[in-house]
Amino acid sequence: SQQGEEDPQALSIQEGENATMNCSYKTSINNLQWYRQNSGRGLVHLILIRSNEREKHSGRLRVTLDTSKKSSSLLITASRAADTASYFCARGGSQGNLIFGKGTKLSVKP
Amino acid sequence: EAGVTQSPTHLIKTRGQQATLRCSPISGHTSVYWYQQALGLGLQFLLWYDEGEERNRGNFPPRFSGRQFPNYSSELNVNALELEDSALYLCASSLEGTSGLYSYNEQFFGPGTRLTVL
Repeated sequence: SQQGEEDPQALSIQEGENATMNCSYKTSINNLQWYRQNSGRGLVHLILIRSNEREKHSGRLRVTLDTSKKSSSLLITASRAADTASYFCARGGSQGNLIFGKGTKLSVKP
Repeated sequence: EAGVTQSPTHLIKTRGQQATLRCSPISGHTSVYWYQQALGLGLQFLLWYDEGEERNRGNFPPRFSGRQFPNYSSELNVNALELEDSALYLCASSLEGTSGLYSYNEQFFGPGTRLTVL
């Protein structure tokens, strides 16, 4: 079963605006990973943030992690139409798998 | 460096048939994971292979099976197909697998195989 929750479920913004997506989880983690999925296709790995890190950047992406609140956020700055996709957070499960949230569907309008 | 590849891209079968899906991991990766993404159900873990052995499986019936070959590529077999098996099947690979809670390994995904059962 899913044990991560992203919010909002859907987000619609204009090109150039910033998009913030949040992820909450229930158990202890060693790391959290963020993925992007374009419609009906494979997942693209964006960022892995370790539990001893508070913030990580990659290009226009900024991920924060608050282990005391069991939450993480993904910020996309200066969004583009090409950023339109679903975004998932994932944490390690006890079976070697990743446990994914239900995702945030981001729509960036030109 | 080539990413994870999957074949076929699309597969159409009828109920009761068998489906075989294939995955080639990133060079140097020994762990392969299979996930099912069915409409409305999100990403569900199916199977994990590492060094040729099945390490773990998710909550799926035995008609979902697979194997990992000496070159670390993997095959997922679904027997006695049911309509609800229609989904996107995603394969991921990582460096040596570890039980996920303490895993630092990123999983890299392929483009998926879209299975449609009629």
